[in-house]
Amino acid sequence: GDSVTQMEGPVTLSEEAFLTINCTYTATGYPSLFWYVQYPGEGLQLLLKATKADDKGSNKGFEATYRKETTSFHLEKGSVQVSDSAVYFCALSHSGGGADGLTFGKGTHLIIQP
Amino acid sequence: DVKVTQSSRYLVKRTGEKVFLECVQDMDHENMFWYRQDPGLGLRLIYFSYDVKMKEKGDIPEGYSVSREKKERFSLILESASTNQTSMYLCASSLSRGREKLFFGSGTQLSVL
Repeated sequence: GDSVTQMEGPVTLSEEAFLTINCTYTATGYPSLFWYVQYPGEGLQLLLKATKADDKGSNKGFEATYRKETTSFHLEKGSVQVSDSAVYFCALSHSGGGADGLTFGKGTHLIIQP
Repeated sequence: DVKVTQSSRYLVKRTGEKVFLECVQDMDHENMFWYRQDPGLGLRLIYFSYDVKMKEKGDIPEGYSVSREKKERFSLILESASTNQTSMYLCASSLSRGREKLFFGSGTQLSVL
């Protein structure tokens, strides 16, 4: 079945450092790929998405590129802030999968120190 | 603004009790979902529904049931709570089939003693 593997944390960085959170997936066909973020005490919210190979999703300074050849969707940010501290989830969905939910990775806890 | 509301933030129940977790969305979304979130396991799909009175099993439905009598409300039921059901429960909704953006509630932390 479908699966998502992401680096487990916690990942601790200093403010203004470069961030990469790795995500790889296993799925048949051509899934859509997502990054969700969960701030402390809140539910998940969509950070960015990409629906086909070589698409780049971006939002709030975060970027991720859909790489079909390496089945990856790594999350990057050039300069992190303390406010970026959260848990980040990589997820996939097949097209038409809105009713079937998403398959999530286990989440990566990111801690940014001032 | 889009809103998914879960009735309780924290809930403590005893083993064997029947537990109801309620979720309401105000966006006229067709699809609703229940996930549980556990450390080291991420989110796992329990049940989902794509229409009133319709329900589909997710990856871990055992020990749970759901009810969707109205479009805006999706209830998760633990018929006889057990300690291994202690978890964070997250409700989500999406506009329609093929629209993958999920909107999440803030979660209910359930402890079964």
